[in-house]
Amino acid sequence: AQSVAQPEDQVNVAEGNPLTVKCTYSVSGNPYLFWYVQYPNRGLQFLLKYITGDNLVKGSYGFEAEFNKSQTSFHLKKPSALVSDSALYFCAVRDENSGNTPLVFGKGTRLSVIA
Amino acid sequence: SQTIHQWPATLVQPVGSPLSLECTVEGTSNPNLYWYRQAAGRGLQLLFYSVGIGQISSEVPQNLSASRPQDRQFILSSKKLLLSDSGFYLCAWGVGTISYEQYFGPGTRLTVT
Repeated sequence: AQSVAQPEDQVNVAEGNPLTVKCTYSVSGNPYLFWYVQYPNRGLQFLLKYITGDNLVKGSYGFEAEFNKSQTSFHLKKPSALVSDSALYFCAVRDENSGNTPLVFGKGTRLSVIA
Repeated sequence: SQTIHQWPATLVQPVGSPLSLECTVEGTSNPNLYWYRQAAGRGLQLLFYSVGIGQISSEVPQNLSASRPQDRQFILSSKKLLLSDSGFYLCAWGVGTISYEQYFGPGTRLTVT
């Protein structure tokens, strides 16, 4: 079975400080990992993904994520937070052997960046 | 480039009335299609997904149904709405074995009164 956990419902960070949104996963094979962002009353926007290769993945809006196989984690990071980064963030996973099945999403973490 | 459309954007319906939400994708062929519901701005609940015309997998056996009459069209329906059907409905598409990620539409806000 595939699962993903986002242990924090809410993350607060001051503008200009680095931010981290945590994600851990569980799959039987190799994971394909994804981050999405959702602004109020909007659909989810794809930020970045890890499929294979370099463990550090860079994505849209200055976000990056690091795949750590030993810790089964894929934390989202940004060196300097902006107020406009305030949104709901979702981590998702798919097992490489799961074919056409949908992504499995975490429950989401609400990020608030305070000016 | 690919785009995904959902309509209507907002909908207010009385309890017991029927529902039809439509989703269409442009710029790709034979996509996988998905319906999700999101309550109170939190987690996503997968309702249905389809890997081809007429092929529907149901994840939540409730009073909702889905159909895929054309390759790039996905419809979510109900014969009689419940108060609990209120929420934000999101359609998504993906090409699962090529790029793996899913892309989401703008959503439909449904309020059942």
